[in-house]
Amino acid sequence: DGGITQSPKYLFRKEGQNVTLSCEQNLNHDAMYWYRQDPGQGLRLIYYSQIVNDFQKGDIAEGYSVSREKKESFPLTVTSAQKNPTAFYLCASSLPSSGALQETQYFGPGTRLLVL
Amino acid sequence: GQNIDQPTEMTATEGAIVQINCTYQTSGFNGLFWYQQHAGEAPTFLSYNVLDGLEEKGRFSSFLSRSKGYSYLLLKELQMKDSASYLCAYHGKAAGNKLTFGGGTRVLVKP
Repeated sequence: DGGITQSPKYLFRKEGQNVTLSCEQNLNHDAMYWYRQDPGQGLRLIYYSQIVNDFQKGDIAEGYSVSREKKESFPLTVTSAQKNPTAFYLCASSLPSSGALQETQYFGPGTRLLVL
Repeated sequence: GQNIDQPTEMTATEGAIVQINCTYQTSGFNGLFWYQQHAGEAPTFLSYNVLDGLEEKGRFSSFLSRSKGYSYLLLKELQMKDSASYLCAYHGKAAGNKLTFGGGTRVLVKP
């Protein structure tokens, strides 16, 4: 079955601690994305990657870091510099866009991060 | 940056029709997505409009007017399972693979 998986489903972070959220896809998609969603809000882009070993900051990258060493994997680290990390984190992937058309982004089930 | 507006919440009765509007700045526009998101779950793709007009997919239809910077999602014959948030997402010419999402419209279907 092709799809996107995220783990864990729930994650607790202590103050001053870095935590890493996993995102894996077997759809053979080149592009991957991380979004943050706060209660009752839309999605805000944290980082995205269009190809292996390359990634770009989104709109709210401060306090986060990513890596893209493999096509299938795009882990997100929430660092201690992120002062308000409690949110629902969604990973997505898509084929690379060609020309003007945007390829559909497909989402993983999400990780809910809570601060203790 | 891009400003995308959609109503925060709408309530409708089972079997009725609801129209969710989304407005955006027209400059540099490429296309517009609609996603459905049930509480605590991932968004799922509903539609992608690039050209003007109405696209129908079963009970759900999406409309686009490029010149007016306006789209709507029409949900017909509402069912209880349609209670969810509906997100519109803008794709701009300069954005590469990036989408900009609206805040979402929470639709509550009552019996």
